[in-house]
Amino acid sequence: DTGVSQDPRHKITKRGQNVTFRCDPISEHNRLYWYRQTLGQGPEFLTYFQNEAQLEKSRLLSDRFSAERPKGSFSTLEIQRTEQGDSAMYLCASSSFQGGDTQYFGPGTRLTVL
Amino acid sequence: AQKVTQAQTEISVVEKEDVTLDCVYETRDTTYYLFWYKQPPSGELVFLIRRNSFDEQNEISGRYSWNFQKSTSSFNFTITASQVVDSAVYFCALSPNSGYSTLTFGKGTMLLVSP
Repeated sequence: DTGVSQDPRHKITKRGQNVTFRCDPISEHNRLYWYRQTLGQGPEFLTYFQNEAQLEKSRLLSDRFSAERPKGSFSTLEIQRTEQGDSAMYLCASSSFQGGDTQYFGPGTRLTVL
Repeated sequence: AQKVTQAQTEISVVEKEDVTLDCVYETRDTTYYLFWYKQPPSGELVFLIRRNSFDEQNEISGRYSWNFQKSTSSFNFTITASQVVDSAVYFCALSPNSGYSTLTFGKGTMLLVSP
């Protein structure tokens, strides 16, 4: 069973640049989640997809953030005009209703904004 | 609103000691799920257990055991005979029993097991 994969694993960018992260969920999972984790904190929910539909967005997701899941498979999370406060680990998880909705996480993308 | 509190920020033990990680939660939902995840230094969150609020039976899996007490809103995790490989940050999480399940995490407890 292939787990959740994320790319890239690390990203260093300069303030003001745009970045895009990719998440490939477990193949049979129709639900996909994005979380953000800062140092010393637990992950915080950002957004959730069921198939290709984005069903919920957290207030943490400012208008500089956008997420897509075309065709209900992989997902991308884009941050425009990055700020130093965006530096964090971005985690993706997937689940299926048939699997009891237990979320399985990928390795994360660590973003550093200089 | 949902909240998960892990009051222990860091615990240090010597190998073979037993250790209990505390988790207290708050929710207005009558049905909900509780989870524990392990985050080793590599960073990936590893699922350990999921417990439905209707099921208050304690669970044991090898050296791991979980004590769910609805009366005190606690879901504590015990590692028996700890090993160096148990060193990690452990997160307790809560989700509503609705059509989807966004997780609310605690701040985590860092467990350091020394030889």
